[in-house]
Amino acid sequence: KQEVTQIPAALSVPEGENLVLNCSFTDSAIYNLQWFRQDPGKGLTSLLLIQSSQREQTSGRLNASLDKSSGRSTLYIAASQPGDSATYLCAVKGTYKYIFGTGTRLKVLA
Amino acid sequence: DVKVTQSSRYLVKRTGEKVFLECVQDMDHENMFWYRQDPGLGLRLIYFSYDVKMKEKGDIPEGYSVSREKKERFSLILESASTNQTSMYLCASTQGQETQYFGPGTRLLVL
Repeated sequence: KQEVTQIPAALSVPEGENLVLNCSFTDSAIYNLQWFRQDPGKGLTSLLLIQSSQREQTSGRLNASLDKSSGRSTLYIAASQPGDSATYLCAVKGTYKYIFGTGTRLKVLA
Repeated sequence: DVKVTQSSRYLVKRTGEKVFLECVQDMDHENMFWYRQDPGLGLRLIYFSYDVKMKEKGDIPEGYSVSREKKERFSLILESASTNQTSMYLCASTQGQETQYFGPGTRLLVL
């Protein structure tokens, strides 16, 4: 059974720092991995999607990598800003279903 | 701009009531999903549908049913609401291996 773990559960950093969020999964037979952002009381917003054949994806200050063989993905956020404060979730996709991690709650201090 | 909408942002219902949560997507996606999100438990899949009139149980289907009569609409039904169904309900849709898009969520309180 696929399990997805995100470490750390919470993180506080000063503005301007580069940071890395981690996601690990137990079954490497995935179709893709997606990173989301969730603001309090809101739905999830897609940040980056990495297909199983890809190694990384970039969007602006965000870069996500995928190492299927080791069951790991990282989300790199460059030059963090207070507006980046949110919960970040990763999800891996099997045949039909997505399995989500419980998220990393990020606070960027001004 | 892609859009997934949910019928209500907040709902308050009484124990034993039948509750309908509706989700509509405008992207012609085949796959639609209902999740619930609870603190410490993350997102858990209740039901999903990969085509009109098709439905599959997720990880926690007990106490729920779904309906998908049209491609764009996926409804979640709580047959007899109970207090342990108080939660945030999230609908999502996707096509093939592409990005999963979420609605804004419905926060349901069952008294």
